[in-house]
Amino acid sequence: DVKVTQSSRYLVKRTGEKVFLECVQDMDHENMFWYRQDPGLGLRLIYFSYDVKMKEKGDIPEGYSVSREKKERFSLILESASTNQTSMYLCASSSPRDTNTEAFFGQGTRLTVV
Amino acid sequence: DAKTTQPNSMESNEEEPVHLPCNHSTISGTDYIHWYRQLPSQGPEYVIHGLTSNVNNRMASLAIAEDRKSSTLILHRATLRDAAVYYCILRDLAGTYKYIFGTGTRLKVLA
Repeated sequence: DVKVTQSSRYLVKRTGEKVFLECVQDMDHENMFWYRQDPGLGLRLIYFSYDVKMKEKGDIPEGYSVSREKKERFSLILESASTNQTSMYLCASSSPRDTNTEAFFGQGTRLTVV
Repeated sequence: DAKTTQPNSMESNEEEPVHLPCNHSTISGTDYIHWYRQLPSQGPEYVIHGLTSNVNNRMASLAIAEDRKSSTLILHRATLRDAAVYYCILRDLAGTYKYIFGTGTRLKVLA
């Protein structure tokens, strides 16, 4: 069974903390993505990576950074967490350049910043 | 990136067909039309995708307009387990392969 695993389902962090959200996929996918999901706003792309050590900004990268040191792992970093980063965070992976490709999503991490 | 427009919500009776519309008037020739759904407390899951021709799989059918400016996801017999948010997205295989989601359609299935 293919799988995208996010390290935590729920996290509570304090304002100003550095927060790491981890995502691991076991499908040898080149592409990996981080989204956040907020009520009424749908899923918004934060960052994506199409190869190890490669990254590109999505629509809302401010306040976030990412790390892709290994193919299977894509980390989202909140350098200094703020309350407006309270949200559901979703990781996904997919194969590139394949007309039949689909994205596989993790279960999500609900982050609360207090 | 081309955008999609979907109704915010729809209702259907159980065991009846459901037609979920999506408008994508700025679609380009290299955009594939994908549909995903998100069940409560889960990440989105793939439903179906197509380019020009209508497509069928075990979950649903996808009807694509001849001018490709709109499409319809068809659930042939809605069940309570189909209650979810359905997203229509365009995937540009000539570009960066991003998946750009909108706000989707929340489908409510009535018993």
